[in-house]
Amino acid sequence: NAGVMQNPRHLVRRRGQEARLRCSPVKGHSHVYWYRQLPEEGLKFMVYLQKENIIDESGMPKERFSAEFPKEGPSILRIQQVVRGDSAAYFCASSPGTARSPLHFGNGTRLTVT
Amino acid sequence: AQKITQTQPGMFVQEKEAVTLDCTYDTSDPSYGLFWYKQPSSGEMIFLIYQGSYDQQNATEGRYSLNFQKARKSANLVISASQLGDSAMYFCAMREENAGNNRKLIWGLGTSLGVNP
Repeated sequence: NAGVMQNPRHLVRRRGQEARLRCSPVKGHSHVYWYRQLPEEGLKFMVYLQKENIIDESGMPKERFSAEFPKEGPSILRIQQVVRGDSAAYFCASSPGTARSPLHFGNGTRLTVT
Repeated sequence: AQKITQTQPGMFVQEKEAVTLDCTYDTSDPSYGLFWYKQPSSGEMIFLIYQGSYDQQNATEGRYSLNFQKARKSANLVISASQLGDSAMYFCAMREENAGNNRKLIWGLGTSLGVNP
């Protein structure tokens, strides 16, 4: 059983470019979460999606950031016009959404904005 | 108000000894779950152990056990017989099960554990 797959593992973008981060959840999991982690800090919630729906985006900046989880295909976190402050590790996690079920995390995408 | 508090930013333990990592939480939801995750220097997040608020017994998974004291709202992680590979960041997290669509994990700031040979 494949776990959560995130790609790319490392992504370098120049200021002003777009960053696209992909996440394929565990097969059968319909709940996807995106988190951001800065060095020496904990995880900051960004967005929670179920298939085709955004459930909670309270942690995601209103501008430049968007997320989707289409019926078919991976979840995408998109950052437009990146700035240096966007440099961080971005983690995707999935769960089946049932009580007691832990989140299964991918290995993260390390975004560096130069 | 901070819902998950990990009071030990960093600590060390001698190899083969037991260590307790503290976690206290705050919730008014009678139904909740508590999770511990490990993040080694390689960066991945690894699920360790889960405790439900209605579970009668403390959770155990191999060398990991959870000292769950509901009245004190604490869920401390105990690692027995520490190994060098246990050196990592450890995060405590909580999910409130009656939060409807807002049932996301709430995270502590983590404890950095170093195991000395």
